[in-house]
Amino acid sequence: QIQLVQSGPELKKPGESVKISCKASGYTFTDYAMHWVKQAPGKGLKWMGWINTYTGKPTYADDFKGRFVFSLEASASTANLQISNLKNEDTATYFCARSADSGYLDWGQGVMVTVSS
Amino acid sequence: DIVMTQSPSSLAVSAGETVTINCKSSQSLLSSGNQKNYLAWYQQKPGQSPKLLIYLASTRESGVPDRFIGSGSGTDFTLTISSVQAEDLADYYCQQHYSYPPTFGSGTKLEIK
Repeated sequence: QIQLVQSGPELKKPGESVKISCKASGYTFTDYAMHWVKQAPGKGLKWMGWINTYTGKPTYADDFKGRFVFSLEASASTANLQISNLKNEDTATYFCARSADSGYLDWGQGVMVTVSS
Repeated sequence: DIVMTQSPSSLAVSAGETVTINCKSSQSLLSSGNQKNYLAWYQQKPGQSPKLLIYLASTRESGVPDRFIGSGSGTDFTLTISSVQAEDLADYYCQQHYSYPPTFGSGTKLEIK
């Protein structure tokens, strides 16, 4: 069956960096784009951007340009999200999601990133 | 960006009742090329990741109970849950993927009395 398995929770200090992974299985990784979605505690869903898993080209939402980097380890069917210079407002759960024309077909379980001094 | 306005923000119903959640987009989501509305509905149960319920405004994802019904076209869409069950306790989000950036509604919290 199709699965997106994300890495574990992270506790970081302001100014540090974090890298989150999303390992896909059960389908051809390069056939579907991978999107990233942020959910702050008690809040709704916010689209961060996506990466073309065939070409590796990332696209970022306006609010996520600069400190956020999407990357791939295509040989391992893994998409990564790296956030640098962490701020308190980055405290959130980050989801990866497999995308098709019909919407987000599958989601990872989410990674809780806590930024606190 | 297309703004998705979802209502109500929360509602509480008894099991067996019917629930209607509304979603309005600031621009039409209807493609003139294929006459499809690029609107999806997601269910997020407490502590879980979202799950796709409905796509293209009215098509149920495989395995989704038929008490979940999506309807609407253009800018006005509805998710109807008939005969609500206790397991339907969740947050529900609409999302447009007609144009970039994809945008979500603010969510509707469904509580069961």
